[in-house]
Amino acid sequence: EAQVTQNPRYLITVTGKKLTVTCSQNMNHEYMSWYRQDPGLGLRQIYYSMNVEVTDKGDVPEGYKVSRKEKRNFPLILESPSPNQTSLYFCASIPWGLAGGQTDTQYFGPGTRLTVL
Amino acid sequence: AQSVTQLGSHVSVSEGALVLLRCNYSSSVPPYLFWYVQYPNQGLQLLLKYTTGATLVKGINGFEAEFKKSETSFHLTKPSAHMSDAAEYFCAVRLTGGGNKLTFGTGTQLKVEL
Repeated sequence: EAQVTQNPRYLITVTGKKLTVTCSQNMNHEYMSWYRQDPGLGLRQIYYSMNVEVTDKGDVPEGYKVSRKEKRNFPLILESPSPNQTSLYFCASIPWGLAGGQTDTQYFGPGTRLTVL
Repeated sequence: AQSVTQLGSHVSVSEGALVLLRCNYSSSVPPYLFWYVQYPNQGLQLLLKYTTGATLVKGINGFEAEFKKSETSFHLTKPSAHMSDAAEYFCAVRLTGGGNKLTFGTGTQLKVEL
């Protein structure tokens, strides 16, 4: 089954304790992205990756890191989490087609609800 | 830069009534437009999308949307609401000609009442 998986689904942590949220897709997609969802703000892009070893900042990258060592995985790293990073996080992927992937659908993971105390 | 405005953060309709969720976009180039639905405790699921061609697009679960360039709108409609349609709906825009960045609206929570 084609899917995007995220782990963990729920996480409660404390300020300053490094954490990683994993994202994996089994569709051989080139493009992957991380979003955070906050009430009244919709979804905002944190980082994205066009392919292995190619990453770039989205709209709200501060306080986050990513890596793309393998095509299928795109972990989100919070080196020193703070309470304002409490949010619902979504990973997404797209195939990069002949038209540059511009008409293709983003496939979203189920989300990770993070609480930073 | 592109942006999306969804009018009404909460919309309530009666079961069987018309559903109309409004979305207006701002874009300097022809956009690709999307509607996503999010059911409670789930991820986002694509309802429908407009890329090129016919301006009236049909999606899953009986939803459709019409791209109106002159009004910069992409409103989502369904003729008859069902209880199972209760969810949050997001409009999103992606520019043609570069990148895969989706810009989302702030969402509209649809409530369906008996």
